[in-house]
Amino acid sequence: DAGITQSPRHKVTETGTPVTLRCHQTENHRYMYWYRQDPGHGLRLIHYSYGVKDTDKGEVSDGYSVSRSKTEDFLLTLESATSSQTSVYFCAISARDWDEQYFGPGTRLTVT
Amino acid sequence: GESVGLHLPTLSVQEGDNSIINCAYSNSASDYFIWYKQESGKGPQFIIDIRSNMDKRQGQRVTVLLNKTVKHLSLQIAATQPGDSAVYFCAENFSGTYKYIFGTGTRLKVLA
Repeated sequence: DAGITQSPRHKVTETGTPVTLRCHQTENHRYMYWYRQDPGHGLRLIHYSYGVKDTDKGEVSDGYSVSRSKTEDFLLTLESATSSQTSVYFCAISARDWDEQYFGPGTRLTVT
Repeated sequence: GESVGLHLPTLSVQEGDNSIINCAYSNSASDYFIWYKQESGKGPQFIIDIRSNMDKRQGQRVTVLLNKTVKHLSLQIAATQPGDSAVYFCAENFSGTYKYIFGTGTRLKVLA
C-alpha cells in the first residue's frame, strides 16, 4: 500500500462520541486525502491537505475536521459521530495534485 | 470483506480470456484518468493511468483506451487470471485541481 498505514483498521463507536482516524505515510508526499466509500457511491472526498497545516474541504466535509501538523500524518476527526458516518474510510497520498493517488488499507467505522 | 459493491455490474470471464471493463466519465474537461483495482477488504490499487493527449496506453497485461469524443474509457486485461478477480473502477481529474471523480466500479469474476 505504498507506505501508507491507517489506524485503527476497525472501530465501533456510539452515536455522539468523537472519533479520530489516523493516516501515516512514509513517502514524503505533499498531498494527502481522506475519502469515504459507501455502497452505490464512488469514493467521495471528505478533506484534503496540500501541505503541513494546509487543508481544504471536499464534497462531503460536513461533520468532519482534519489536521496535519507533520508531513507524514493526516488526522480525520468526527466531532460527534452519527450513524450516517458508518462507512469505510480511505486515506490517499499523491506527489502532485493531479497525479496518481495511492491508497491506504482503509478503516471500517461503524457508528451504533 | 468490504461490502462496498453490493449491486455492482459484474463481468464474468474464463481464465485465460481477455477482459474489457468500461467506464463512462462525466466531465468533458477532464484530462487525466486512472484505473484502480480493489480487492475485498483492501484499498484501491493503482493499475494504469492515461492523459487526454493519448488514446491508448499499455502496461503489463493491461491496456487503457480513451475515447474523448464519447467520454469513454476502457480497461483491457489480457489473459485474465484468478488473481485479477476484484472490483475495477475509473477516476477522472481535471488538471490543476485536487478533485477526482470516481466511478462505482465493475466486479470482475474469473472463472476457472
